[in-house]
Amino acid sequence: GIQVEQSPPDLILQEGANSTLRCNFSDSVNNLQWFHQNPWGQLINLFYIPSGTKQNGRLSATTVATERYSLLYISSSQTTDSGVYFCAVGRDAGGTSYGKLTFGQGTILTVHP
Amino acid sequence: EAQVTQNPRYLITVTGKKLTVTCSQNMNHEYMSWYRQDPGLGLRQIYYSMNVEVTDKGDVPEGYKVSRKEKRNFPLILESPSPNQTSLYFCASSLSYIPYNEQFFGPGTRLTVL
Repeated sequence: GIQVEQSPPDLILQEGANSTLRCNFSDSVNNLQWFHQNPWGQLINLFYIPSGTKQNGRLSATTVATERYSLLYISSSQTTDSGVYFCAVGRDAGGTSYGKLTFGQGTILTVHP
Repeated sequence: EAQVTQNPRYLITVTGKKLTVTCSQNMNHEYMSWYRQDPGLGLRQIYYSMNVEVTDKGDVPEGYKVSRKEKRNFPLILESPSPNQTSLYFCASSLSYIPYNEQFFGPGTRLTVL
């Protein structure tokens, strides 16, 4: 199956700092999503981005599919950005296979006031 | 309110005692999925369902069963739970049978198997 690696595993920031999280994957994909899990365990979808660049407020994401990586940018970080960030990938290999999602191990982000 | 609900939220059980974790969504979503989350391993997909009566295995299906008899419900069944199934379980749904739409997650079910 597809291997997904995220880096760094942990990141500690002061409020207001910028950060970049990386997701590398081992095979071509046609589905890539970023998720945020807050400290209370709630999971929120941030982006669906199998290629290209998207922005949503202070967050943006870029996926370079040909080089098999995606980046999540967080600008002017806030304490509410703390939590775990996951990327998940999938590829259509026929049948219902495009329903399958493989997650990375996540990046734990802590933002201090 | 649009939501995915899971029950129970917390469960402590013993090895071998069959259990069902229910998942229900009120958004008329076609796609539903189950994940387990373990420290250091992230989330791993157990089973998913593209639509009613269409289910398929994720990365870690062993020891689990699912059924999708109606669109809104996707229960996870552990026929004979074992301690290695102690985990935090999440159900999710999205609008289309292609999960390229935003996935909505339930609040999680923390299961302990003694």
